[in-house]
Amino acid sequence: IAGITQAPTSQILAAGRRMTLRCTQDMRHNAMYWYRQDLGLGLRLIHYSNTAGTTGKGEVPDGYSVSRANTDDFPLTLASAVPSQTSVYFCASSDLTSGGPDTQYFGPGTRLTVL
Amino acid sequence: GQNIDQPTEMTATEGAIVQINCTYQTSGFNGLFWYQQHAGEAPTFLSYNVLDGLEEKGRFSSFLSRSKGYSYLLLKELQMKDSASYLCAAMDSNYQLIWGAGTKLIIKP
Repeated sequence: IAGITQAPTSQILAAGRRMTLRCTQDMRHNAMYWYRQDLGLGLRLIHYSNTAGTTGKGEVPDGYSVSRANTDDFPLTLASAVPSQTSVYFCASSDLTSGGPDTQYFGPGTRLTVL
Repeated sequence: GQNIDQPTEMTATEGAIVQINCTYQTSGFNGLFWYQQHAGEAPTFLSYNVLDGLEEKGRFSSFLSRSKGYSYLLLKELQMKDSASYLCAAMDSNYQLIWGAGTKLIIKP
């Protein structure tokens, strides 16, 4: 099935632990994004990648890192988790070469709780 | 700064029409998106406007006024399945989306 997958679906993590959230898309989109969504706030961009091999910082990048070794995968790593990183994390992708609107398509999300 | 404003919550009756407003302020502008998000699910794309005017797509329509920094999403013939949050997002000059907090729409029978 075409689309974006994320893993895990949910996770409870002890503070100080390292965690990688996985994201894979099979639409051959060149751009990928990581957002966090917190109650009462809009989606906030953590990191993005416009093409394989490049990444950029979004609005709230501190405490997170990403890599983009190939077109399909865009993992998000929390090096040392803190309770303020408790959130729902969405991965998204878009085709910046289509000539049309840069519509972003979202994965199902990962619900992360840091205790 | 960059900002998106939309109402936190709205209530409407099944079969009726509802208009969800959004005002935006961004550094540059490359279009306005509306997404639907059911509770516990991912946002899904509804509409995109970059020119002034109304775009109609079935029961849903979206309007944009660039000079006023204003958009609305119009939902007609409301159905119970339309109960969801509706997210407004403006694309800035760096082609990044700036998101509103979303409007939770409650449909009553």
